Amino acid sequence: EVQLVESGGGLVQPGGSLRLSCAASGFTFSSYSMNWIRQAPGKGLEWVSYISSSGSNMFYADSVKGRFTVSRDNAKNSLYLQMNSLRAEDTGLYYCARIGKEIVVQPAVTIGDYWGQGTLVTVSS
Amino acid sequence: DIQMTQSPSSLSASVGDRVTITCRASQSISRYLNWYQQKPGKAPKLLIYAASTLQSGVPSRFSGSGSGTDFTLTISSLQPEDFATYYCQQSYSTLWTFGQGTKVEIK
Repeated sequence: EVQLVESGGGLVQPGGSLRLSCAASGFTFSSYSMNWIRQAPGKGLEWVSYISSSGSNMFYADSVKGRFTVSRDNAKNSLYLQMNSLRAEDTGLYYCARIGKEIVVQPAVTIGDYWGQGTLVTVSS
Repeated sequence: DIQMTQSPSSLSASVGDRVTITCRASQSISRYLNWYQQKPGKAPKLLIYAASTLQSGVPSRFSGSGSGTDFTLTISSLQPEDFATYYCQQSYSTLWTFGQGTKVEIK
């Protein structure tokens, strides 16, 4: 059974840092690209960051570029998000999601086929 | 960045109603459009990918259509368990973007 379990959230002051983790199991983690997606309280979904299966390619939303860093350790089946210079607007539930591929079109469509339950980040003084 | 615009932002409907949600992309995304359902306190669940392909295990009352910039999610006969928020998401770009969501409420 595929499982993604996020951890590391908490209350942090503006300007502070947090490191989120996502522990993966039930699939070959090193074969899948991964996303971080967040949701502010009562708001919609916002894509945050992407990392390729090998960890060689990373992309970020403009809202977090230069402050957040995504990484992974395929030997430990783990995904990370280092968040620095945190702002109030970074408050929300952070999900890790596996990026699946479905070949019904070429190139394949990517999907968020498995999601964790999220870890809550609160940035407040 | 590709912008995704959903409408309506919310709707009220009764059990058995036919419900349609639309999603428009700011540029052509071919069929690289996915739909998710999210219930309170839960992670999003994939319903439809590539605009019209039903994810395994999703009831056939859900369907999707469209290509290019305009897409539709239809629930043919709304069931009590379908009251939730629905999001479209483009995967044309590696930098995913989501619609703002459509909350389906009980009338």
